[in-house]
Amino acid sequence: ETGVTQTPRHLVMGMTNKKSLKCEQHLGHNAMYWYKQSAKKPLELMFVYNFKEQTENNSVPSRFSPECPNSSHLFLHLHTLQPEDSALYLCASSQEGAGGGFDTEAFFGQGTRLTVV
Amino acid sequence: DAKTTQPNSMESNEEEPVHLPCNHSTISGTDYIHWYRQLPSQGPEYVIHGLTSNVNNRMASLAIAEDRKSSTLILHRATLRDAAVYYCILSPMNRDDKIIFGKGTRLHILP
Repeated sequence: ETGVTQTPRHLVMGMTNKKSLKCEQHLGHNAMYWYKQSAKKPLELMFVYNFKEQTENNSVPSRFSPECPNSSHLFLHLHTLQPEDSALYLCASSQEGAGGGFDTEAFFGQGTRLTVV
Repeated sequence: DAKTTQPNSMESNEEEPVHLPCNHSTISGTDYIHWYRQLPSQGPEYVIHGLTSNVNNRMASLAIAEDRKSSTLILHRATLRDAAVYYCILSPMNRDDKIIFGKGTRLHILP
């Protein structure tokens, strides 16, 4: 248990569905991140939030829409996804991010395994 | 492209030390060197990080070259639970830069 909780752990959705991934941390961190990990590929940074403000959007398609209502919660809203979007989606948090970096150690959740059919 | 270079895989015997190398020749003066590891079916786990001086914690040691262009993660006594993919990344403090993960080193521990 890392202190970062992601739900659901597994999700299967059709290309016309709308779903949301949730991430929650109660570590008192102010920076939260979404990463995508496709099979046999490195982790790709998607979004960074610092103090609830989005500070990084790594050229992510608009069918992925992040939301950070407070420092403890981060959502990733999904709509009209493609099969190639199937991947492990990881959330992370750190005390405070500086630009795209981790200032100290980052804590990752266990991820949501997403399958788009 | 990743800013770090690591061997694709390494093997070590259980209960022996493991030295995992990482090259980062384009490191800037404000980049921190972080190491994470990812066990199967889990998210990455923080191992250690440093800037210039060598660092020790309960999990590992980090040896940083004097010119900072390379570093080595040292596991003092490998166990089967240390089998994982180990990522060496540069964490920039520059707002215009971002963390880029490479493919990491897959460490196999032989019993």
